Amino acid sequence: DTAVSQTPKYLVTQMGNDKSIKCEQNLGHDTMYWYKQDSKKFLKIMFSYNNKELIINETVPNRFSPKSPDKAHLNLHINSLELGDSAVYFCASRPAGTSDETYFGAGTRLSVL
Amino acid sequence: DAKTTQPTSMDCAEGRAANLPCNHSTISGNEYVYWYRQIHSQGPQYIIHGLKNNETNEMASLIITEDRKSSTLILPHATLRDTAVYYCIVRHYGGSQGNLIFGKGTKLSVKP
Repeated sequence: DTAVSQTPKYLVTQMGNDKSIKCEQNLGHDTMYWYKQDSKKFLKIMFSYNNKELIINETVPNRFSPKSPDKAHLNLHINSLELGDSAVYFCASRPAGTSDETYFGAGTRLSVL
Repeated sequence: DAKTTQPTSMDCAEGRAANLPCNHSTISGNEYVYWYRQIHSQGPQYIIHGLKNNETNEMASLIITEDRKSSTLILPHATLRDTAVYYCIVRHYGGSQGNLIFGKGTKLSVKP
């Protein structure tokens, strides 16, 4: 069973559209994340979220918003997509308050045309 | 910003040990050293972590200096499938300080 799963794996869309990427983890973790990896391969944290707090990287535009319907899901909504949003987006999770490892999904490759 | 310094790239012959160094001179007493790797186009994969003692698992060994200012990840018998970018990360165990902040990592190329 995949621990952290993201859908879709690939997403091609036009500039100005609104899109969502879904993430689900079956590990019972209470902290989830979204990371962005751009063309230069630099992995940057966008959001960290648990049932108590949402922490947003201040460099993330407010067109990006995480939505958590329940503890096992953290979806990423992106409004008014821009060319610069093209990247690979990774979802991740870990148990809060421990030194345990963080698990990553396989990534969603977003291409904005 | 990442709190670690790693070489940009390294080569290793297949079957030999790969020793990847990492400097973390500003590490604090409650921060762990973690190693992750990212094989091309895949999500980052956990390798190993430690606080101050050396650690070993089925994938690798982690050697942390006594002053904790540097560490070395050892892949004892590198294979072609170990070609990846390796990230050394220091983090607190919990809260927002427990988030993984990635640097540029070391691109390890294992050659036949």
